[in-house]
Amino acid sequence: QVQLVQSGAEVKKPGASVKVSCKASGYTFTAYPIHWVRLASGQRPEWMGWINAGDGDTRYSQKFQGRVTISSDTSGSTAYMELKSLRSEDAAMYFCARIGSSDAFDLWGQGTLVTVSS
Amino acid sequence: EVVLTQSPGILSLSPGEGATLSCRASQSVNSNYLAWYQQKPGQAPRLLIYGASNRATGIPHRFSGSGSGTDFTLTIGSLEPEDFAVYFCQQYGSSPLTFGGGTKVEIK
Repeated sequence: QVQLVQSGAEVKKPGASVKVSCKASGYTFTAYPIHWVRLASGQRPEWMGWINAGDGDTRYSQKFQGRVTISSDTSGSTAYMELKSLRSEDAAMYFCARIGSSDAFDLWGQGTLVTVSS
Repeated sequence: EVVLTQSPGILSLSPGEGATLSCRASQSVNSNYLAWYQQKPGQAPRLLIYGASNRATGIPHRFSGSGSGTDFTLTIGSLEPEDFAVYFCQQYGSSPLTFGGGTKVEIK
C-alpha cells in the first residue's frame, strides 16, 4: 500500500525543537521529492521546504530558513523535518507530502500535531 | 510570492446543487501549475485537480477545474454528502509554493 506514515503528536515548550518523521512505503522512496506543509488553525497552509529523496538536496521557504532542517534516511525510506526555537505561532498540524508525476502533492501523511505551550 | 485569494470564504449549499469556487492569483501562475485539494476535519488534504484542469486519479467526474493565468475555478457538478469540506487551491509554478485561504462548502 502506497502511504506516508508520520510520527505521533508532540508537546513542546517555547524555545525547544521538534523533529517529525515521515516513513514512506509501497513505492521507491528515492524517486519522489518529499515536501513539508503546515496548517495552523484558521490559517492557510504554509509550505516549509522539500528534499530530493534521491540525492538529499534541500530547499527551504525563506520564512523558515535557519530554523528548519529537512533530512532523509534512504535506508529507512524516511524523511524528517526538524524545527528549532519553537514559538507559540508554530503550533500546527505538520504534513509531509509527496510530489508525484502530476507535479502536485498526490500523497500525504496523516499529519503530526505539534503543540507549543509553557 | 504568488498570493492566492479564494472566494467565497463560505459556500452554503444543499446536496444536489452545483458549486463554483474561485481562486485568483496576484500574478500569472507559471505553466498553469495550479492544484485544488479537498480537506475534511482530521484528515490530510486530498488532491483533486492538477495543472488547473486535470483530474487526479480516482476523482469523480463531477469535479472539474478550469482557468489560466490568474483566474481559476473549481466546479462541483452536483454536491454529494461527502463533498462538504474545505477546498484549497495551491500554485506550484514558482517558489515559494503557496496556498489559498480556502473555501468551506457547508450544508445549507
